[in-house]
Amino acid sequence: DVVMTQSPLSLPVTLGQSASISCRSSQNLVHSDGNTYLNWFQQRPGQSPRRLIYKVSNRDSGVPDRFSGGGSGTEFTLKISRVEAEDVGVYYCMQGAHWPPTFGQGTKVEIK
Amino acid sequence: QVHLVESGGGVVQPGRSLRLSCAASGFIFSRFGMHWVRQAPGNGLESVAVVSHDGNEKYYADSMKGRFTISRDNSRNTLDLQMDSLKAEDTALYYCVRDGQKGYNDLDFWGQGTLVTVSS
Repeated sequence: DVVMTQSPLSLPVTLGQSASISCRSSQNLVHSDGNTYLNWFQQRPGQSPRRLIYKVSNRDSGVPDRFSGGGSGTEFTLKISRVEAEDVGVYYCMQGAHWPPTFGQGTKVEIK
Repeated sequence: QVHLVESGGGVVQPGRSLRLSCAASGFIFSRFGMHWVRQAPGNGLESVAVVSHDGNEKYYADSMKGRFTISRDNSRNTLDLQMDSLKAEDTALYYCVRDGQKGYNDLDFWGQGTLVTVSS
C-alpha cells in the first residue's frame, strides 16, 4: 500500500497566523489518466471527516479560500492562511491514485 | 443534499459476525460507487472496501479480504458491509462514504459512522 507521511503531527498556531502541513507519499500519485489524486480532509472534534481539497488544489464547495493545496508527484502541502478558531481539528491527506486509498497519520491543529 | 446514515454497529464477541447498513439519500445512489472506511478509537483512517455503482466490481483492503463482504441494493438505496470472523482489531467507527465523480477513489461525502466494538 502507498504510505502517506504527514508533518508535523501537532501544529499549534496563533489566531490570524498561517499554518502549513506537509504530506509525502511513498509512490507517485499521478494516475494513468493524467490526474494527481491527492485530497485533504478536515475532521473537527466529534465530527466526520469533511473533504476540503481534491486533486491537489481544487477546493470543495463551501470551503473558505483561506485553504489552499499544492504540490506534485510525491510532495504536497495544505496551507491555511489567517487561522480561525473553527479550523481546530485534525487534518488528513489521502491518496486515491492506487487501491486501497490510504491516509496520512493526521495533523492536529490547535490554537496557541 | 447528500445524506448517509449508518446503522448496525454494536458490541460483538471475537469470531462472531455483524452486518452494517448505510441508507443513502439526496443523490442518485445508483450512479455512484460507495466505500466503507473505518477509524479505530483515537486513531487514523483506514479504507475497508469499495463497490462500483452497479455492484459488479468490489475491492477490499488486504486485512479484510475473505472476512468482509460489501454489497449494495440500488432499489432501496442501501449499502451493506457483512463482517465475519471479527477480531479485536476490527474495533472502530465505520463510515459509509460516497465516491464522487471527480476521478478515482473520490471520497467526497461521509456519514456520521456506526461504532463496532469487538470484545469478549
